[in-house]
Amino acid sequence: TQLLEQSPQFLSIQEGENLTVYCNSSSVFSSLQWYRQEPGEGPVLLVTVVTGGEVKKLKRLTFQFGDARKDSSLHITAAQPGDTGLYLCAGALTGNQFYFGTGTSLTVIP
Amino acid sequence: GAVVSQHPSRVICKSGTSVKIECRSLDFQATTMFWYRQFPKKSLMLMATSNEGSKATYEQGVEKDKFLINHASLTLSTLTVTSAHPEDSSFYICSVSSGHEQYFGPGTRLTVT
Repeated sequence: TQLLEQSPQFLSIQEGENLTVYCNSSSVFSSLQWYRQEPGEGPVLLVTVVTGGEVKKLKRLTFQFGDARKDSSLHITAAQPGDTGLYLCAGALTGNQFYFGTGTSLTVIP
Repeated sequence: GAVVSQHPSRVICKSGTSVKIECRSLDFQATTMFWYRQFPKKSLMLMATSNEGSKATYEQGVEKDKFLINHASLTLSTLTVTSAHPEDSSFYICSVSSGHEQYFGPGTRLTVT
């Protein structure tokens, strides 16, 4: 059983559409990160959120950390084929030990 | 962010042999490194926390005698898969942490035949 559950697990959308990925847990995290991973490569950090209720924007990506620091969401506006990849959330419980979510595989069709 | 390298990027070995994977922190002194395992189209599973100068801390269900971790310096941690079997075939990734963030190596694809 993983600490962080992501939904949906798979998502296939047309270019230009919007989407939201959710990351949920019953545990409280000191910080939460979102990563994007391409096949055969390591995950690349997109954002870190630390404060409950925090919202961060990175171009067309909007990240939100839940008020109770148990959940997070990633919203992509006007998705592009270059957004295709595996999106992973990861939370830190104590210290610097991180646990990953179950992952969301996104495919954006041109 | 920190730059992390792994070597080799790919390795194929025969069942019963041992394989060593290196993880180097190129621009950051890491007292702690992490080792993850990832199956195709699945998320990363934390295997162990590698501590410089002391024993690694293994996650529940990970055999410490099978996955030997050595962290002899602030820039190098090694993972040795001993007596490898086909079910050990996977993508192994290491990371270093800096504050709230962690930075990953490019991964090592292990195939055991």
